[in-house]
Amino acid sequence: AQSVTQLDSQVPVFEEAPVELRCNYSSSVSVYLFWYVQYPNQGLQLLLKYLSGSTLVESINGFEAEFNKSQTSFHLRKPSVHISDTAEYFCAVSSPNDYKLSFGAGTTVTVRA
Amino acid sequence: GAVVSQHPSRVICKSGTSVKIECRSLDFQATTMFWYRQFPKQSLMLMATSNEGSKATYEQGVEKDKFLINHASLTLSTLTVTSAHPEDSSFYICSARGGPSEQYFGPGTRLTVT
Repeated sequence: AQSVTQLDSQVPVFEEAPVELRCNYSSSVSVYLFWYVQYPNQGLQLLLKYLSGSTLVESINGFEAEFNKSQTSFHLRKPSVHISDTAEYFCAVSSPNDYKLSFGAGTTVTVRA
Repeated sequence: GAVVSQHPSRVICKSGTSVKIECRSLDFQATTMFWYRQFPKQSLMLMATSNEGSKATYEQGVEKDKFLINHASLTLSTLTVTSAHPEDSSFYICSARGGPSEQYFGPGTRLTVT
């Protein structure tokens, strides 16, 4: 079984400041890792994912995450946030053999001007 | 591409009635769809896995007789909440499996039981 821990439930940040959202997972098998973003009253949108290969993955809107196997982490970062990045962010894990996703509790990011 | 729709987006029903929520993959076929439930300010909890042409697989603690799932075609899965009660009020989200590692999520359905 897999589980995900998101260490920060809420992260307030000023516009144009950097942000890091922490995610740790536990699994006895190899994993796929995901970050999803959810805007109010909407479904989830995939932000980025790690399946294999390069441990640093990037999204088209400036987010990046690094898979660290030794620390079982997949932290999400953005060097400069915008007001529009205000949302709920979920880290999730699945295994290559079982496509069910296990989600973390989520981190609410609030960007202020 | 890879769009998943849900209908309705919001529904209010009286206690004791049943409500059906549809989940459609609009531009791809999905042999597997998933149903999640999300409480306010909380994460998504997987309720069941819906496989086209076979019975759904429910997660532990989810009442299969209360949450009826039908995956009648490669583009449609339905979740029926039977004899709904106020505690069933929640945000229900479906996803469709579009590839080995991809799940595409619908926009969700807000159910309020009065």
